[in-house]
Amino acid sequence: ELKVEQNPLFLSMQEGKNYTIYCNYSTTSDRLYWYRQDPGKSLESLFVLLSNGAVKQEGRLMASLDTKARLSTLHITAAVHDLSATYFCAVESLNFDMRFGAGTRLTVKP
Amino acid sequence: AAGVIQSPRHLIKEKRETATLKCYPIPRHDTVYWYQQGPGQDPQFLISFYEKMQSDKGSIPDRFSAQQFSDYHSELNMSSLELGDSALYFCASSLGVEQYFGPGTRLTVT
Repeated sequence: ELKVEQNPLFLSMQEGKNYTIYCNYSTTSDRLYWYRQDPGKSLESLFVLLSNGAVKQEGRLMASLDTKARLSTLHITAAVHDLSATYFCAVESLNFDMRFGAGTRLTVKP
Repeated sequence: AAGVIQSPRHLIKEKRETATLKCYPIPRHDTVYWYQQGPGQDPQFLISFYEKMQSDKGSIPDRFSAQQFSDYHSELNMSSLELGDSALYFCASSLGVEQYFGPGTRLTVT
């Protein structure tokens, strides 16, 4: 069964610092998603990673995928307060099952 | 470890029919969230419950209703189904900040 583990679950950062969120999954997948969620809101897609070695960047966020290690990372560079949110990774298996990580609540402090 | 259980996993209904989706949270979790993910779309937050009371409301149509019962399981009732209701419906449970997603119910309306 496809399982997704995300860590850390809580992350408190100072503005300007860098950090990485990790997403491990248990079986071969077809694609991996990173989402952002603000409190009480829907999930907003940030990245879709399709192949081994895929790297995507948008602003201060960069996501990468290592399918051999079954690991994706979301790297935050020079964090700013606006990045405070909950970040989820989700993995879609080859039979179109979707599994989510538990989310990382990021708080960026001045 | 026990995870969030959703039933049924797949459901096929015709237009104008009703559907009931069930969600069984992780034991001792007091909060349940419902999301709708249409084809190629981000998961949209529908509604949430905390301690059996509605805590937040998102883009849930008036044709849908939900409740959380005394045993903390939740049901999403959908009436007058439309073709556009075809989607993956996720439930997530929480005891704090993190959200543990269930495997989803795939609803197809024909």
